[in-house]
Amino acid sequence: EAGVAQSPRYKIIEKRQSVAFWCNPISGHATLYWYQQILGQGPKLLIQFQNNGVVDDSQLPKDRFSAERLKGVDSTLKIQPAKLEDSAVYLCASSLITGGPFFGPGTRLTVL
Amino acid sequence: GENVEQHPSTLSVQEGDSAVIKCTYSDSASNYFPWYKQELGKRPQLIIDIRSNVGEKKDQRIAVTLNKTAKHFSLHITETQPEDSAVYFCAASLVSTRFGAGTRLTVKP
Repeated sequence: EAGVAQSPRYKIIEKRQSVAFWCNPISGHATLYWYQQILGQGPKLLIQFQNNGVVDDSQLPKDRFSAERLKGVDSTLKIQPAKLEDSAVYLCASSLITGGPFFGPGTRLTVL
Repeated sequence: GENVEQHPSTLSVQEGDSAVIKCTYSDSASNYFPWYKQELGKRPQLIIDIRSNVGEKKDQRIAVTLNKTAKHFSLHITETQPEDSAVYFCAASLVSTRFGAGTRLTVKP
């Protein structure tokens, strides 16, 4: 079975620019997660969807970050405007209602 | 939301020794506890998990124990090998899944 797909794999932007990441979960997985992993730290949950609905976005900086999950499948995460401290790996993951999550390869974002 | 604390942050053992990593969680209603291994530059990989209705689970050289009363769970790796060297993360889940800060395990040959 195909794993979680993410693109792009790498992105370099200047501060105050905007950026978007895309994720396609494992087929049939209702739950989709976006995590931020700063070097040397554990994954921090930004937002969790179950189908089209948001389960938890309490740690999402909503003044600059937004996410959507169209038709309960693919998802995009956007940062606008980016700050230096947003440099991190953005991990998308998916799971069935319970179990997992199972991670994609991540997008490494560098903000200059 | 759920808060997960993980100890130690670094752990060094000799090849063949055992390694134990401990985590505590704050929400007593959490009911699912996965463990992940992350090698340098790679994604976290699920290695074992346990549900709240089970006290212990074993898979070859790794085992996980859960103490619901104390709200802590542990990962045990026996007969460690150099390829076990990685960062290990615990997580706890009820509705959303939160991670600990990680333990860097080094297995010395």
